[in-house]
Amino acid sequence: DTAVSQTPKYLVTQMGNDKSIKCEQNLGHDTMYWYKQDSKKFLKIMFSYNNKELIINETVPNRFSPKSPDKAHLNLHINSLELGDSAVYFCASSQDRGSDYEQYFGPGTRLTVT
Amino acid sequence: LAKTTQPISMDSYEGQEVNITCSHNNIATNDYITWYQQFPSQGPRFIIQGYKTKVTNEVASLFIPADRKSSTLSLPRVSLSDTAVYYCLVGDLSNDYKLSFGAGTTVTVRA
Repeated sequence: DTAVSQTPKYLVTQMGNDKSIKCEQNLGHDTMYWYKQDSKKFLKIMFSYNNKELIINETVPNRFSPKSPDKAHLNLHINSLELGDSAVYFCASSQDRGSDYEQYFGPGTRLTVT
Repeated sequence: LAKTTQPISMDSYEGQEVNITCSHNNIATNDYITWYQQFPSQGPRFIIQGYKTKVTNEVASLFIPADRKSSTLSLPRVSLSDTAVYYCLVGDLSNDYKLSFGAGTTVTVRA
């Protein structure tokens, strides 16, 4: 069983479109994350979320919004896609908040905006 | 806010030991030090975590001096499959969005 899964693995779309990336974890974790990895391999956190609190990276445009239907899912919705949104997006989860909790990452979704 | 600094790249040969040092001068009292490994086209994978002194598991060792301002990841007897990017992470990403994994250290193992 895959611990953290994402769909789709690849997403090619045009500027201005709205798209969603889905993430599911079957680890029973309370905290989930979305990361963006750019072409230079920098991996930056976008959001962290558990059933109590959403913490948003304020540098993330409000076109990006996380949506969590339940504890096991944290989807990423992107409005009005731009060329600069092209990147690999990773979902992750951990048992709880805190630097002492290991994060488990999904396989990534490569988003290409044309 | 504990910013980390690590080398951009390192080259090694099969069978050698690889040591990657990460500087984190502003580490907070309750921060753990965590290392992740990332292969191409995959998500990062946890390698090892420590708070102080030395930690060893089946994959690596982590050495942390008393002042905790740096840490060294040691990969014993590397193989070609250890070629990857290694990230040093200090602090709680879930509570401090200013943190990031940075660019990591690209380790290339040659035959």
